[in-house]
Amino acid sequence: DTGVSQNPRHKITKRGQNVTFRCDPISEHNRLYWYRQTLGQGPEFLTYFQNEAQLEKSRLLSDRFSAERPKGSFSTLEIQRTEQGDSAMYLCASSPADRQETQYFGPGTRLLVL
Amino acid sequence: SQQGEEDPQALSIQEGENATMNCSYKTSINNLQWYRQNSGRGLVHLILIRSNEREKHSGRLRVTLDTSKKSSSLLITASRAADTASYFCATGAAGNKLTFGGGTRVLVKP
Repeated sequence: DTGVSQNPRHKITKRGQNVTFRCDPISEHNRLYWYRQTLGQGPEFLTYFQNEAQLEKSRLLSDRFSAERPKGSFSTLEIQRTEQGDSAMYLCASSPADRQETQYFGPGTRLLVL
Repeated sequence: SQQGEEDPQALSIQEGENATMNCSYKTSINNLQWYRQNSGRGLVHLILIRSNEREKHSGRLRVTLDTSKKSSSLLITASRAADTASYFCATGAAGNKLTFGGGTRVLVKP
């Protein structure tokens, strides 16, 4: 069973550096979501794609954040000029066209900005 | 921002006991879902209840929804040590993005 995969699982970086995370959704899931989760809190929505189109972005997604899903399959989330406040777990989820309400989450990428 | 609050924030019970947690939300919803998260891992979907439903069962899980009070409850019956996790409610609205609560941390002691 191939679920949602995310790479890397962990990333440690220095403040000011750029980082990029990758999400591979479940095959043929047309929707892909990014969330951010800080310690002790629930996940917060960042953005989502339907196929290759980015349909909504949260106000949490500052100009330093950019997400892409160029071919409607995998997605990347890039954070430029990282800040210590960006330290969090970044979760990706996908959902199928016929049951879009249910999202299947990946294991997340844990980012630590020093 | 978080949609609502979960109560209690933490819960400790003995194996075999029932665990009940509540979730309140603020805006109109299409559905409400419950997810489980084991320490430091991704979320696992448990159950979804639509806004026109009042109660739903799945195995040892029972979910209720009261849209007039904007609240939901999750009951886990006959808990097991493997149920130890954080439980999050999430409301789904237009576009199906989920808005999560802060979670309830459940510890089931053997």
